[in-house]
Amino acid sequence: GENVEQHPSTLSVQEGDSAVIKCTYSDSASNYFPWYKQELGKRPQLIIDIRSNVGEKKDQRIAVTLNKTAKHFSLHITETQPEDSAVYFCAASKRGGDDKIIFGKGTRLHILP
Amino acid sequence: SAVISQKPSRDICQRGTSLTIQCQVDSQVTMMFWYRQQPGQSLTLIATANQGSEATYESGFVIDKFPISRPNLTFSTLTVSNMSPEDSSIYLCSVEDLRDTQYFGPGTRLTVL
Repeated sequence: GENVEQHPSTLSVQEGDSAVIKCTYSDSASNYFPWYKQELGKRPQLIIDIRSNVGEKKDQRIAVTLNKTAKHFSLHITETQPEDSAVYFCAASKRGGDDKIIFGKGTRLHILP
Repeated sequence: SAVISQKPSRDICQRGTSLTIQCQVDSQVTMMFWYRQQPGQSLTLIATANQGSEATYESGFVIDKFPISRPNLTFSTLTVSNMSPEDSSIYLCSVEDLRDTQYFGPGTRLTVL
């Protein structure tokens, strides 16, 4: 089955700097890669996703890149703000297959003042 | 996006008892899933709730322990049976909308004494 590895487990960055979270996946049939943000006590919220026919996607301060050959994908947050502090999960799924989403272990992002 | 509600939002139960968690969506969805999230951990898929047929369970989860119903396209239940303290966790349902985007319910926080 699919296995998603996520690094780092914890990340601290100065406010205004950029943050990068990296993930790898094992199943080459995976074709959909969402990122979720979870604030303390809240449900996971989808922040951005990318499909395997696209190499990069950007939404304001957030961007995701995908390298299908290497089975790597990354989340980039620029100009970080205090409200970016949360746990971020990467995930992989086979859309058009079983559709289930398998999550990485998460990255706790701290934005330092 | 789909609006998802779960009942109960939290419960404290005695070991050996069972609890049924309900998940209601405001629109018809094809795919519904149940996840477990233990404190400080990632999301682990329990099963895919199939409408009109038996749920598809992930490795390590069995129907006798986590029976699931999905009587229609907007509703599902997960029962945690014969509970032990190790079952203390947050249980979340999620749904996939017509754009293949997956959203999570608010979760049910279960404590087993």
